Amino acid sequence: DAGITQSPRHKVTETGTPVTLRCHQTENHRYMYWYRQDPGHGLRLIHYSYGVKDTDKGEVSDGYSVSRSKTEDFLLTLESATSSQTSVYFCAISERGNEKLFFGSGTQLSVL
Amino acid sequence: AQSVTQPDIHITVSEGASLELRCNYSYGATPYLFWYVQSPGQGLQLLLKYFSGDTLVQGIKGFEAEFKRSQSSFNLRKPSVHWSDAAEYFCAVGALSGNTPLVFGKGTRLSVIA
Repeated sequence: DAGITQSPRHKVTETGTPVTLRCHQTENHRYMYWYRQDPGHGLRLIHYSYGVKDTDKGEVSDGYSVSRSKTEDFLLTLESATSSQTSVYFCAISERGNEKLFFGSGTQLSVL
Repeated sequence: AQSVTQPDIHITVSEGASLELRCNYSYGATPYLFWYVQSPGQGLQLLLKYFSGDTLVQGIKGFEAEFKRSQSSFNLRKPSVHWSDAAEYFCAVGALSGNTPLVFGKGTRLSVIA
């Protein structure tokens, strides 16, 4: 299995608070992605990175920011969490584009 | 714009029966197609992929999928389902380049009954 770790695994927070989710990889893969998974919506891309300090928005990027200061870490930040951001968040990595994505185990985030 | 439609939200099959999960896509160029599986509480795992060549591709766990360009479809099949196949299945389409991320369908949840 690919070395990909998401932290925390579970988080409960209050509306209006900042939240940062971390994705850490030990594979030295170039590409990293953040998705959210919601019932009835499947997987939706939030942000992705194609290299250190190279990031771009996905289809549901509003309210989220990301940073990638080194190859192994990709951080997802909710500047001011809202209840609509309650979701399961998945990080994925890949070495050669879309050829094969490896997914983390997910972070369950609840915003109350 | 690229999109993926999985018409069936939930399918229930008996153990040992055959399975077909449907996937239709819309893509402006040569599509690269994927099926991923998600077991409960887990991340997604690649089942199989189609890039070019033989339109019938084999994957892990005994799954196969057939690319039909004329129907814009990439249906997933398995001749005999096992209880451990109960999971959610996602079809995805995109380019090979990671600079153009995959678009996933909304998923089909498979239940297996004895």
